[in-house]
Amino acid sequence: GENVEQHPSTLSVQEGDSAVIKCTYSDSASNYFPWYKQELGKRPQLIIDIRSNVGEKKDQRIAVTLNKTAKHFSLHITETQPEDSAVYFCAASKDDMRFGAGTRLTVKP
Amino acid sequence: KAGVTQTPRYLIKTRGQQVTLSCSPISGHRSVSWYQQTPGQGLQFLFEYFSETQRNKGNFPGRFSGRQFSNSRSEMNVSTLELGDSALYLCASSFGGVLNTEAFFGQGTRLTVV
Repeated sequence: GENVEQHPSTLSVQEGDSAVIKCTYSDSASNYFPWYKQELGKRPQLIIDIRSNVGEKKDQRIAVTLNKTAKHFSLHITETQPEDSAVYFCAASKDDMRFGAGTRLTVKP
Repeated sequence: KAGVTQTPRYLIKTRGQQVTLSCSPISGHRSVSWYQQTPGQGLQFLFEYFSETQRNKGNFPGRFSGRQFSNSRSEMNVSTLELGDSALYLCASSFGGVLNTEAFFGQGTRLTVV
């Protein structure tokens, strides 16, 4: 089945800096790649997603890139703010949904 | 528009018992999916129901089952509870299906097995 690896497990940046989180997947047939943000004690919320027929997608300060050949996709957050501090999960889906282990992002003011 | 509602929020059960969790999706959403979240295993997909039929399934034993009613509300059942079943159980609803459209999560049911 699909395996999703996510790096790094923790990331600390200064407010205003950029943050990059990377995920790799094993099943080349995976076709949907969402990213979820989960603040402490709260439910996961979708922040951006990308489908396999698209290489890049951007929404204000957040962007996702997908490299199907290398089977990896990345989340980019620019101009980070303290409220970006959370755990971020990547996922890949085909017949089921597989999640990465999560990245705890801390944005220091 | 009301969000996804899960009941109960907290449960304590004894090993060997069974438990049923409930999830009410966003109005108009026909897909309900279930997940287990633990510190050790992270977030794991259990299964998805769409229009009362199980459409996709993760890698969990048969003790984990579910169903969906005609009003799209869903229940998940875990039989013969084990200590390792202690987790936060999340459900999510989506319009077109969780494997290719946005999933909206509920707040979860925290299950403790003692």
